Amino acid sequence: DTEVTQTPKHLVMGMTNKKSLKCEQHMGHRAMYWYKQKAKKPPELMFVYSYEKLSINESVPSRFSPECPNSSLLNLHLHALQPEDSALYLCASSLSPREGGNTIYFGEGSWLTVV
Amino acid sequence: GENVEQHPSTLSVQEGDSAVIKCTYSDSASNYFPWYKQELGKGPQLIIDIRSNVGEKKDQRIAVTLNKTAKHFSLHITETQPEDSAVYFCAASGSGTSYGKLTFGQGTILTVHP
Repeated sequence: DTEVTQTPKHLVMGMTNKKSLKCEQHMGHRAMYWYKQKAKKPPELMFVYSYEKLSINESVPSRFSPECPNSSLLNLHLHALQPEDSALYLCASSLSPREGGNTIYFGEGSWLTVV
Repeated sequence: GENVEQHPSTLSVQEGDSAVIKCTYSDSASNYFPWYKQELGKGPQLIIDIRSNVGEKKDQRIAVTLNKTAKHFSLHITETQPEDSAVYFCAASGSGTSYGKLTFGQGTILTVHP
């Protein structure tokens, strides 16, 4: 079983809503990630946090706003989304480069539907 | 950037047969190659990985081989079972600014018939 926990598992939101996806890991990892996965496609990287600082933003639209409050938590704030943003949002974590590991573990994901 | 090609897109085998999935990558700086299994409605589960300083790695019925010169790596599943049915993704990642940036193949839908 994955040790990366994501909530909620399912979320339906309107295009004018503001909602957040939450992720928690207790493996002591200092790198955390958000990936997006559309149906029948591979995951695509959105953001990377290393030691609670944003290190990679893959040109994600500003309607997605990540936040890393501490080393165990990662949030993705959602605002003014479009129907095409409907997807499975995956959180993941790994050791940091400084710690010498890059094995990435995924959570079960949050299914987002924008109506 | 990195590009990963994965074949076949679908694979159907009988229980007990072997299954092989192949991937090629483009960036010679990539040094880490994980394989993920994704069941319907779940997140990707790491099943095996290999680093560029190793040519082969085995874990029970699963093995991965890496050919750095040819820039390809393969997943081998022996004695397949119906519960092996899932989508399998290969991926590649590097170090430095590419650290943690997994580039995935398009996936292989594996079906194991009882």
